[in-house]
Amino acid sequence: NAGVMQNPRHLVRRRGQEARLRCSPMKGHSHVYWYRQLPEEGLKFMVYLQKENIIDESGMPKERFSAEFPKEGPSILRIQQVVRGDSAAYFCASSQTEGTDTQYFGPGTRLTVL
Amino acid sequence: EDQVTQSPEALRLQEGESSSLNCSYTVSGLRGLFWYRQDPGKGPEFLFTLYSAGEEKEKERLKATLTKKESFLHITAPKPEDSATYLCAVQAGGGADGLTFGKGTHLIIQP
Repeated sequence: NAGVMQNPRHLVRRRGQEARLRCSPMKGHSHVYWYRQLPEEGLKFMVYLQKENIIDESGMPKERFSAEFPKEGPSILRIQQVVRGDSAAYFCASSQTEGTDTQYFGPGTRLTVL
Repeated sequence: EDQVTQSPEALRLQEGESSSLNCSYTVSGLRGLFWYRQDPGKGPEFLFTLYSAGEEKEKERLKATLTKKESFLHITAPKPEDSATYLCAVQAGGGADGLTFGKGTHLIIQP
């Protein structure tokens, strides 16, 4: 009974490097959401994707951040030229359908930028 | 702008001491209100979804209720294993599928 899988669980990058975070949704789920949790802050929505389509990226920073969910393979959240302010926990969630269907979360990737 | 405010920020109870957590929300057309539990270093774990005012759902020692402006998570006779951060989130109308979360209530149950 595999839930949402994320890897790596911990990622350390130096300023200016690239970070790639991967998310495999639950079996049978084709909708993926990315959220960011900053220290002492609540979870913030970043982007919503379906296979090969970005549906809503209203919470995504305009620069350096991108996301994809290819036909085959996991969803990828990519952060280019990381800065210290990018240090946070990044969570992926998946749902079976859109709308008010329950979003199930993965364990998160904790990104530390040195 | 959609907003979710949870109170209290932190709550310490004795084992067996019942209480309620509050989630006040402002949203343009509520599609659903969600409760999650988050343990340190882990992802949020789904508890309940509520869709309309007057709706109630129960699971073991937890009961969630919904009005037009707020939701309550009632915890009856809690045990130490109920210690966690409880998160409330709303999903707005207008096609937005991302959830708007509150900052959570950090609950500690002392034996």
